[in-house]
Amino acid sequence: KAGVTQTPRYLIKTRGQQVTLSCSPISGHRSVSWYQQTPGQGLQFLFEYFSETQRNKGNFPGRFSGRQFSNSRSEMNVSTLELGDSALYLCASSYHDSYNEQFFGPGTRLTVL
Amino acid sequence: GQQVMQIPQYQHVQEGEDFTTYCNSSTTLSNIQWYKQRPGGHPVFLIQLVKSGEVKKQKRLTFQFGEAKKNSSLHITATQTTDVGTYFCAGFYNQGGKLIFGQGTELSVKP
Repeated sequence: KAGVTQTPRYLIKTRGQQVTLSCSPISGHRSVSWYQQTPGQGLQFLFEYFSETQRNKGNFPGRFSGRQFSNSRSEMNVSTLELGDSALYLCASSYHDSYNEQFFGPGTRLTVL
Repeated sequence: GQQVMQIPQYQHVQEGEDFTTYCNSSTTLSNIQWYKQRPGGHPVFLIQLVKSGEVKKQKRLTFQFGEAKKNSSLHITATQTTDVGTYFCAGFYNQGGKLIFGQGTELSVKP
């Protein structure tokens, strides 16, 4: 089985812009979770989607949003980018939910200038 | 609240020495998962512990889950340079159904 894929791998944006990141889970996996990873904060949970519905949400501002499509692929969007949004954004998939093993993608490295 | 504290943040050891990282939650966990992230890589699942007092071993790695299901540890015996990376614990909370990661312990091994 192919692993979790994320596109793009690298992005450079300027403050105020918006960005969309994409994640394709492992075939058959219906749960997709998103995490923000920064050196100072570790892995912070953004949200989890299952069958096109947001099942859980972390403590991030409304500028961070996501969605999941019928094929389980997921996107996350960050609007009005701030310098502090620079981070590695990781998505992880699992068959049903994050109670079980999470399979992570390689991440998207976002730099906000 | 739902928070997982992990210590230490960094650990530098000489090859052959042992290493331990600890995780603690103020509330009971449904399970705890451990992940390893190599430099420049992404987290990779190592193991899941579910039962109170559970102990699991993978070669030189020993994982423990506390009796109260609020704490866990990972112990590596006789570290090797291949053990380098950041080790994360992640606790799953039934209330809310969230997986919350600890801050991670970055392990460096000097040959």
